[in-house]
Amino acid sequence: GQNIDQPTEMTATEGAIVQINCTYQTSGFNGLFWYQQHAGEAPTFLSYNVLDGLEEKGRFSSFLSRSKGYSYLLLKELQMKDSASYLCAAMDSNYQLIWGAGTKLIIKP
Amino acid sequence: GAVVSQHPSWVICKSGTSVKIECRSLDFQATTMFWYRQFPKQSLMLMATSNEGSKATYEQGVEKDKFLINHASLTLSTLTVTSAHPEDSSFYICSASGSGAGGFSYEQYFGPGTRLTVT
Repeated sequence: GQNIDQPTEMTATEGAIVQINCTYQTSGFNGLFWYQQHAGEAPTFLSYNVLDGLEEKGRFSSFLSRSKGYSYLLLKELQMKDSASYLCAAMDSNYQLIWGAGTKLIIKP
Repeated sequence: GAVVSQHPSWVICKSGTSVKIECRSLDFQATTMFWYRQFPKQSLMLMATSNEGSKATYEQGVEKDKFLINHASLTLSTLTVTSAHPEDSSFYICSASGSGAGGFSYEQYFGPGTRLTVT
């Protein structure tokens, strides 16, 4: 079957760094997406990885290892506004997104 | 990035009535649109996928006669919740993928969501 695993909740301190891990098992693979979702709002796109390695975009970076079925989202210089749920989604061979349950990130002052 | 709008943002309706939610892609051709439902503190649940001009493909457990989806053009898809009941109260979100100024992309662009409350 197809499955995405990510931690349910994480807590970090303002100004610090946090890494949110995601492992996936899909029928075929066409890339790994990370989305941010604030409470009561729709998800917004953060990153897309289809090749192995690290993609950096400002304070956010995303890493992919296809051989390990593993990705992580790295958030640096955390701000209070980064408190949100972070959704990992893998695209399968039919170009369908398989969604994780999301990681709720709590930022403390 | 591409812009997807949804209307209405929120709606309250009485049990037994039907509600239509519109999803529009404003600056790109949405060849595929997705409809999701999200209950409080839960993850997105894909309800159906629709390709322009074709019948929607519903996920297991989603009643196609209750959740009517129409994707008649490359910029508009509608979801009609028929004979709504209180258990249908949820956050409904559409997303779209297709071709824009940057070419074709499988990235899904999300609408802002519609909060439905059935009394």
